[in-house]
Amino acid sequence: QVQLVQSGAEVKKPGASVKVSCKASGYTFTSYGISWVRQAPGQGLEWMGWISAYNGNTNYAQKLQGRVTMTTDTSTSTAYMELRSLRSDDTAVYYCARGRGMAGFDPWGQGTLVTVSS
Amino acid sequence: QSALTQPPSASGSPGQSVTISCTGTSSDVGGYNYVSWYQQHPGKAPKLMIYEVSKRPSGVPDRFSGSKSGNTASLTVSGLQAEDEADYYCSSYAGSNVFGTGTKVTVL
Repeated sequence: QVQLVQSGAEVKKPGASVKVSCKASGYTFTSYGISWVRQAPGQGLEWMGWISAYNGNTNYAQKLQGRVTMTTDTSTSTAYMELRSLRSDDTAVYYCARGRGMAGFDPWGQGTLVTVSS
Repeated sequence: QSALTQPPSASGSPGQSVTISCTGTSSDVGGYNYVSWYQQHPGKAPKLMIYEVSKRPSGVPDRFSGSKSGNTASLTVSGLQAEDEADYYCSSYAGSNVFGTGTKVTVL
């Protein structure tokens, strides 16, 4: 079955960087893009951006431009999201999901909690 | 891009129907037929329930239906069941993506 499995929880200090991985299985990785969505504690969903697993094209949310980088490794069917210059309000559960959004995001990874605290 | 507007809460008794609205603008909801809906239970990842306004992925019960009129999309859950109690989010694609503010559905 189609599955996305994310890396484990992270605790980072303000100003540091974090890199979250998302390993895909059960489908042809390069046939779909991967989107990243985050959810702060008790808050709603926020779209962060998308990367094409076919050619590496990206589209980032404007508010994260300059701080976020999304990449893929087609040899291992893994997508990565790196967020730099972390602040306390970056504390959230970070999800990867298959798709660009036009036909929805499906499925989703299990989520990775990133805690930013001094 | 501003978040799409959803009511904070909705409720209904078992067997009844509940409808959740999702209001955007002509630049997102109203301009494209790329509205999707997600169900999220506490501590779990979201699950796709509706895509392209009204299409259901395989495995999603036909009690869930979607529609759109102008800048407002809607999700209707008919024949409410206890397991439908969850948070629901809409999303619209318009080059980039934007989510709704979320609606907590309570089954009374």
